[in-house]
Amino acid sequence: AQSVAQPEDQVNVAEGNPLTVKCTYSVSGNPYLFWYVQYPNRGLQFLLKYITGDNLVKGSYGFEAEFNKSQTSFHLKKPSALVSDSALYFCAVREGLTGGGNKLTFGTGTQLKVEL
Amino acid sequence: GAGVSQSPSNKVTEKGKDVELRCDPISGHTALYWYRQSLGQGLEFLIYFQGNSAPDKSGLPSDRFSAERTGGSVSTLTIQRTQQEDSAVYLCASSLAGTSGRDEQFFGPGTRLTVL
Repeated sequence: AQSVAQPEDQVNVAEGNPLTVKCTYSVSGNPYLFWYVQYPNRGLQFLLKYITGDNLVKGSYGFEAEFNKSQTSFHLKKPSALVSDSALYFCAVREGLTGGGNKLTFGTGTQLKVEL
Repeated sequence: GAGVSQSPSNKVTEKGKDVELRCDPISGHTALYWYRQSLGQGLEFLIYFQGNSAPDKSGLPSDRFSAERTGGSVSTLTIQRTQQEDSAVYLCASSLAGTSGRDEQFFGPGTRLTVL
C-alpha cells in the first residue's frame, strides 16, 4: 500500500523568508510524487511533480521540491515566501507501475501561513 | 481552454434523499477521478475511469455510492439514501491518460454537499 505523511498541520513563515513544507512517502516500488495547492473554496491546483530524472524539480509560482530516495522525502520549498502563497498544500504519491491505475494517495495537507 | 467543471457548486439535502453530482472533464482527457474531501479525513479516492475500461471502484465507501461516465466524457456521482456522514466536498479531476500515472490531474472546484 502507498501512503503519504505531512507531519506539520501548519507552517508559519514571514514574507521574504524561505519556506519548507515537509512530505514523506511510502510505496513498494518507484514513486511518482506530486504537490498540489488549494486556495479557499477552490479545487486543487497542480504545482509540480517528480517522475524520474533530476532530484530537484521546479514548478509553478517559484516553488521547487527535492526528491530524496534514501529519506523517502519530497519536501516543497520556496526561497522567498509571499503572503499570496498562504494556502493549503497537499503532497500525493502514486506507485510507478504500469497497469496499476492512477490512484493518487494524498497527505492530510499542510496549512501555510505567510505573514508580513 | 476550459478547466474541469462541476455542478452544482453547493447542494443541501435531507437525510435519506438521493443526490447526483456532475463533472465535466477537460476535453481530450481520457481519465476521470472522483475524490471526497472532508474535515478530519483529508482527500479520499472514490472512483477512477480510464477510457472504456472497467472503472476502479475500490474507494467507494458503500453501495449507496455509484458513478457512471457516459460517452467517455461527463461523469455523474450518485449517492443514494444520503447520510449525515456523507457531508463533504466532492472533487472531480481529469488527466490526459491514466495508465502511465505520469500525468498530473486537473481538479474541478468541487461540490459542497451538506446532508441535514
